[in-house]
Amino acid sequence: DSGVTQTPKHLITATGQRVTLRCSPRSGDLSVYWYQQSLDQGLQFLIQYYNGEERAKGNILERFSAQQFPDLHSELNLSSLELGDSALYFCASSTQGGTGFSGANVLTFGAGSRLTVL
Amino acid sequence: AQSVAQPEDQVNVAEGNPLTVKCTYSVSGNPYLFWYVQYPNRGLQFLLKYITGDNLVKGSYGFEAEFNKSQTSFHLKKPSALVSDSALYFCAVRDMTGGSYIPTFGRGTSLIVHP
Repeated sequence: DSGVTQTPKHLITATGQRVTLRCSPRSGDLSVYWYQQSLDQGLQFLIQYYNGEERAKGNILERFSAQQFPDLHSELNLSSLELGDSALYFCASSTQGGTGFSGANVLTFGAGSRLTVL
Repeated sequence: AQSVAQPEDQVNVAEGNPLTVKCTYSVSGNPYLFWYVQYPNRGLQFLLKYITGDNLVKGSYGFEAEFNKSQTSFHLKKPSALVSDSALYFCAVRDMTGGSYIPTFGRGTSLIVHP
């Protein structure tokens, strides 16, 4: 157990629907990262939060949004789902990642949420 | 942008033989490089990282990686492979994204260790 908890593990839904993926970071970690893993795109960075604030955005679609709550858990919201959104969504956490940090951030990953859009 | 490339989709090796999983990088400045492993139905796990110093970095589970600046490579190695090493291996580089340093991953290499 890595200490990063993701729910649900599996999710099957239809095109056009909206889903929410949840992540609880490892105890003590302030940064949360979301990645999308698919066969054709590999592991793509979506977005990072640090202590409740958005820190970095990657290849995140406008249909997707995320937030980090005061208790540091994070949610990734995916709306108007398309077939191509089917993928494994990983959450990762780290202790660092705030403004001014320039070190080598080691990420701890959750087991992922597998989304299937039919 | 910084990037890494993993030229092999799959590496096959017999148990007990040495293994190498290749990674090359493209960066401006000094690279911060990582290796992660993903076992089936699990998230990625950190193996090792290179920041500066010795070119040979030792990590978890007996793995090590050799940083080669002239060849811009950071190959993952293990002297004697185990069947349990079979997994997906990812090389990553620290990249600046929107004001924060984010690991950017390669496409992964599937390592298959045959008994």
